[in-house]
Amino acid sequence: EAGVVQSPRYKIIEKKQPVAFWCNPISGHNTLYWYLQNLGQGPELLIRYENEEAVDDSQLPKDRFSAERLKGVDSTLKIQPAELGDSAVYLCASSLQSMSLEQYFGPGTRLTVT
Amino acid sequence: DQQVKQNSPSLSVQEGRISILNCDYTNSMFDYFLWYKKYPAEGPTFLISISSIKDKNEDGRFTVFLNKSAKHLSLHIVPSQPGDSAVYFCAAKSSGANSKLTFGKGITLSVRP
Repeated sequence: EAGVVQSPRYKIIEKKQPVAFWCNPISGHNTLYWYLQNLGQGPELLIRYENEEAVDDSQLPKDRFSAERLKGVDSTLKIQPAELGDSAVYLCASSLQSMSLEQYFGPGTRLTVT
Repeated sequence: DQQVKQNSPSLSVQEGRISILNCDYTNSMFDYFLWYKKYPAEGPTFLISISSIKDKNEDGRFTVFLNKSAKHLSLHIVPSQPGDSAVYFCAAKSSGANSKLTFGKGITLSVRP
């Protein structure tokens, strides 16, 4: 069974440029999460989807961040415009349902904003 | 405010000995506690969990202990193996409609051959 797939693995952009990250969860997993992991910190939830519905986006900075999960499968996280402080690893995870203890994480996208 | 705290950034142990990784929390409403393990360039992987109504859960070489009165949990790995070298995140799950995982900063475990 394939794991959570994320692309790109690495991205370097200049500040004020837009950037997008893509995630393909494990087949059959209804719940999808986007996390932000700053250097030396643990993952922090940005947004959680149940199928195509964003059920918790309270931690998503909506002035510059947006996300979508069309058809309840793949998801895209976008930042526009990027700031220096956005440099971090963006992790996608999925689980069978929202109350599952075990979340399956992708390898992440490491973003560097210069 | 950090609700899940891992105060030691690193731990080094000899192969075959016990590794004890500690975690403290502040929110009494957490209903589950989990440990995730992360290798470089990979995402975290689930290791073991414990319900807030239990005080111990064991899975092979891994045992998690929960002390609710002290708001403290620990992960014991025995015997430690070089392949256990990784970053270990303590996490806590809140209950309710907006249930989510809150992670600690992680601790880097190095197991010396």
